[in-house]
Amino acid sequence: EAQVTQNPRYLITVTGKKLTVTCSQNMNHEYMSWYRQDPGLGLRQIYYSMNVEVTDKGDVPEGYKVSRKEKRNFPLILESPSPNQTSLYFCASSFEGITGGHGELFFGEGSRLTVL
Amino acid sequence: LAKTTQPISMDSYEGQEVNITCSHNNIATNDYITWYQQFPSQGPRFIIQGYKTKVTNEVASLFIPADRKSSTLSLPRVSLSDTAVYYCLVGFSGGYNKLIFGAGTRLAVHP
Repeated sequence: EAQVTQNPRYLITVTGKKLTVTCSQNMNHEYMSWYRQDPGLGLRQIYYSMNVEVTDKGDVPEGYKVSRKEKRNFPLILESPSPNQTSLYFCASSFEGITGGHGELFFGEGSRLTVL
Repeated sequence: LAKTTQPISMDSYEGQEVNITCSHNNIATNDYITWYQQFPSQGPRFIIQGYKTKVTNEVASLFIPADRKSSTLSLPRVSLSDTAVYYCLVGFSGGYNKLIFGAGTRLAVHP
């Protein structure tokens, strides 16, 4: 089954304790990205990756890191989480859409993170 | 980068047609318009994508005027299960860069 898998789905942590949210896709997609969703603000892009070893900042990258060492994985790293990073996080992937129009984004089920 | 504006919420009744409009005044020549649907506690899922004029699939239609500064998602004969948040997204291929989602439109369908 084609899917984007995020882990953990739920996490409560404390300020300053490094954490990683994993994202894996089995569709051989080139493009992967991370979003955070907060009430009233919709989806905001954190980082995206066009392919292996190619990453770039989205709209709200501060406080986050990513890596793309393999095509299927795109982990989101919070080196020193703070309470303002409490949010619902989504990972998404798609084909590059070279024929016109970006490819359909496939989203994971979300990771709800609480930083105390 | 194109910024999108949508109504915050809409209400409808079962069986009615619903039209949700998205404004994207700064859309670029290469940008496509895509709509996503999101249910609570789930990731968004693709509904429809278009570049100009009209696109129709099995669940919705997308109307884009000639100036492309807005687009309208049309949901025919909605049911209770169409209650969700709908997002308009403007972006382009060959370099996604920052895909800008709007704040979304919360559609409530009533019996």
